[in-house]
Amino acid sequence: QQPVQSPQAVILREGEDAVINCSSSKALYSVHWYRQKHGEAPVFLMILLKGGEQKGHDKISASFNEKKQQSSLYLTASQLSYSGTYFCGTESNYQLIWGAGTKLIIKP
Amino acid sequence: NAGVTQTPKFQVLKTGQSMTLQCAQDMNHNSMYWYRQDPGMGLRLIYYSASEGTTDKGEVPNGYNVSRLNKREFSLRLESAAPSQTSVYFCASSEQGAEEAFFGQGTRLTVV
Repeated sequence: QQPVQSPQAVILREGEDAVINCSSSKALYSVHWYRQKHGEAPVFLMILLKGGEQKGHDKISASFNEKKQQSSLYLTASQLSYSGTYFCGTESNYQLIWGAGTKLIIKP
Repeated sequence: NAGVTQTPKFQVLKTGQSMTLQCAQDMNHNSMYWYRQDPGMGLRLIYYSASEGTTDKGEVPNGYNVSRLNKREFSLRLESAAPSQTSVYFCASSEQGAEEAFFGQGTRLTVV
């Protein structure tokens, strides 16, 4: 079953923070995050494994709460280069099931 | 460093025509995938190959066939194209199962 992402879209000014959520009705073993810029292929950001871990990648970090079956992606002090659509993916039978995406627009 | 290479980048087909989308990776990955992405939507898995010699259906396999020709190459065939198959198609590969996936640049297919 497809994970649910929220919000669907967010508009920020450069330097502002954003949080993107991903939740599932099924037990999660891992959550994957990707970013896709318009007209390009998705690019891997990070994988979080069950155990409540957090990861960071420059000013982009994420958390994974397996009890709540959800993950959150945090973008701090956003830059213009962060614009794009963010997708979460949850693992099921060695496949990834993708959320519908969250479109992030950063304005100067 | 090529990564995942898809051909063609663009294609227009008439309803009922057939075509094969090619995908090759040079990272010695075991798993390969074909996705379609429709406007404003996420990726939907068409078929995947967990390892050389195996293929399995994904979420939306109807109207498609695949061949894992060898470890490097994974092709997607549309036997009789329909307008509903108008989409952007992405090939991807990963070392194993649900690990970091590397994507090709996509094929924009229009069926008229």
